Amino acid sequence: QITLKESGPAMVKPKQTLTLTCSFSEFPMKTSAVGVGWIRQPPGKALEWLALIYLDDEKHYNPSLKSRLSIVKDMSRHQVVLTMTDMEAVDTATYYCAHVPSGWGFVFDSWGPGILVTVSA
Amino acid sequence: SSELTQDPAVSVALGQRVTITCQGDSLRTYYPSWYQQKPGQAPKVVLYGGNNRPSGTPGRFSGSTSGDTASLTITGAQAEDEADYYCGSRDTSGTHGYVIFGGGTKLTV
Repeated sequence: QITLKESGPAMVKPKQTLTLTCSFSEFPMKTSAVGVGWIRQPPGKALEWLALIYLDDEKHYNPSLKSRLSIVKDMSRHQVVLTMTDMEAVDTATYYCAHVPSGWGFVFDSWGPGILVTVSA
Repeated sequence: SSELTQDPAVSVALGQRVTITCQGDSLRTYYPSWYQQKPGQAPKVVLYGGNNRPSGTPGRFSGSTSGDTASLTITGAQAEDEADYYCGSRDTSGTHGYVIFGGGTKLTV
């Protein structure tokens, strides 16, 4: 069973850059169609997809947030890092990382527990 | 970018059948996935590729798509099915793929 866990600051100030790390267990399959994505959820609101990176380093970003996002991976350390610049109060949310299994398309089959990030001065 | 629309809330009596719908243009091209989220927990995929159940999803969950509308049906709803349900889909902008989620449906059993 794949496990993932998010880590990073619980609070950032407006205009700061948020850096989140997703640490995960060994993936049973390591094809180019396997990936890790980031999804967030403001308190009481819906899910919003942020970014996705495949093991072959192909990257996809939410078009409305693309200018603020960067996603990279370090498979030797079993980590994927998401960076989001220019944080605002509306970015307050629980941030999840999740595994994309091979052959499922843009579907997330295993999720981390999430990390609540609050943007406040 | 495109959107997925869901009814905010649906209720069902214990043991009865309930259908949750999701509407959006991307569903004409791509299969939906469905996620169940209980309070304080991360979402969990219950259906993908239209009507594929991951291991662990009970057989009472099924899915279908017609035109721009996807449906998640629970036949014989149980108390533990009470949760928020989100549909998800791939969409594309030019050659760039991305993921969209619906606004979620709160299911009360």
